[in-house]
Amino acid sequence: EVQLLESGGGLVQPGGSLRLSCAASGFTFSTYAMSWVRQAPGKGLEWVSAICGDDGSTYYADSVKGRFTISRDNSKNTLYLQMNSLRAEDTALYYCAKSSGGSCYSVSHYWGQGTLVTVSS
Amino acid sequence: DIVMTQSPDSLAVSLGERATINCKSSQSVLYSSNNKNYLGWYQQKPGQPPKLLIYWASTRESGVPDRFSGSGSGTDFTLTISSLQAEDVAVYYCQQYYNIPFTFGPGTKVDIK
Repeated sequence: EVQLLESGGGLVQPGGSLRLSCAASGFTFSTYAMSWVRQAPGKGLEWVSAICGDDGSTYYADSVKGRFTISRDNSKNTLYLQMNSLRAEDTALYYCAKSSGGSCYSVSHYWGQGTLVTVSS
Repeated sequence: DIVMTQSPDSLAVSLGERATINCKSSQSVLYSSNNKNYLGWYQQKPGQPPKLLIYWASTRESGVPDRFSGSGSGTDFTLTISSLQAEDVAVYYCQQYYNIPFTFGPGTKVDIK
């Protein structure tokens, strides 16, 4: 059974940093593309970043480019999102999602429960 | 960026009746080399993460009831719930995974009339 467990969220001041983690199990983690998608309170879904399983390429939304870094540790079956220079508009529930294949150009098949990031002074 | 729009914003349907949600992309998400539409549909119930319903515009995810179906190609897509059940109350999102960034539609809220 595929399981994705996010952690690392919390309250942070504007300009601060957080690192989110997503512990994966139930599948061969290294071979799948993984993504982060966020949802601001009461709002819709926003794709944030993806890392491919086939070639390790990484991609970002313009809203986070240069501030966020996605990475993965295949030996630990864990996905990360390093978030720097956080802004109030980054406040959201952050979901980790597993793609249907190694290519980033694939649908998000499974989603974790999310971890809440609140950016406020 | 590919802009995804959905209509209506919300709809209320009687139990057992059909619900139809439309999704439109600002450019085609049909990849000519494999003839696949890079379009997915998700269901999100309150307090839960999104759940994949449909991918490649019309392929139902394993375990999804067959009352859910997807259709369309190019820039115009439809999610149909053929006979609405109480458990289908949710917000439904379309997403294109053809071009980075993989944009979502704004969502359509489905309720019982």
